[in-house]
Amino acid sequence: TQLLEQSPQFLSIQEGENLTVYCNSSSVFSSLQWYRQEPGEGPVLLVTVVTGGEVKKLKRLTFQFGDARKDSSLHITAAQPGDTGLYLCAGGIDDMRFGAGTRLTVKP
Amino acid sequence: EPEVTQTPSHQVTQMGQEVILRCVPISNHLYFYWYRQILGQKVEFLVSFYNNEISEKSEIFDDQFSVERPDGSNFTLKIRSTKLEDSAMYFCASSDPSGGGDIQYFGAGTRLSVL
Repeated sequence: TQLLEQSPQFLSIQEGENLTVYCNSSSVFSSLQWYRQEPGEGPVLLVTVVTGGEVKKLKRLTFQFGDARKDSSLHITAAQPGDTGLYLCAGGIDDMRFGAGTRLTVKP
Repeated sequence: EPEVTQTPSHQVTQMGQEVILRCVPISNHLYFYWYRQILGQKVEFLVSFYNNEISEKSEIFDDQFSVERPDGSNFTLKIRSTKLEDSAMYFCASSDPSGGGDIQYFGAGTRLSVL
């Protein structure tokens, strides 16, 4: 079983600050996905990274896939209260496995 | 925008009863999945389904669970005899083969409460 470890587990910051959350594994993945989940709802896909070293930007969110395709990071610039949520990474195809997530709170 | 729809949004059942959770995947998708999330815990893979058969299943997906695509649009998860520990959010997902099957789109989930 390919395990994904996410850190930190919880993160509370002020509006306007920058942050980075991490997703690490000892296994190589052909791709990793980042999802955001709101309470009582299903995960919503943010991005898929496929190529080692790949960097993808989604407005203020920057996603990076490690060169060895074992880890990924999500960097948020100038966080806003609307960014509050649970950020999940997931890897695998037919049997996708999720990390436990980073619960982000952005205070106004 | 196409979406995965799940019904019911909340299902309450007595322990030992059978439940069927229903999903309508995105119409052109051919890969289908079920996940569960126990309150406060991570999303866990249950099963993947392609070409009318199970592709992969996890250790959670034991003989009490079954999946079916009874027609061209629905994808169901049946729990034969529910236990208290089956209480969780159950998410259905589907993916598009032209994308290599990597991108899964999730429904809003069914909350199953076993009393």
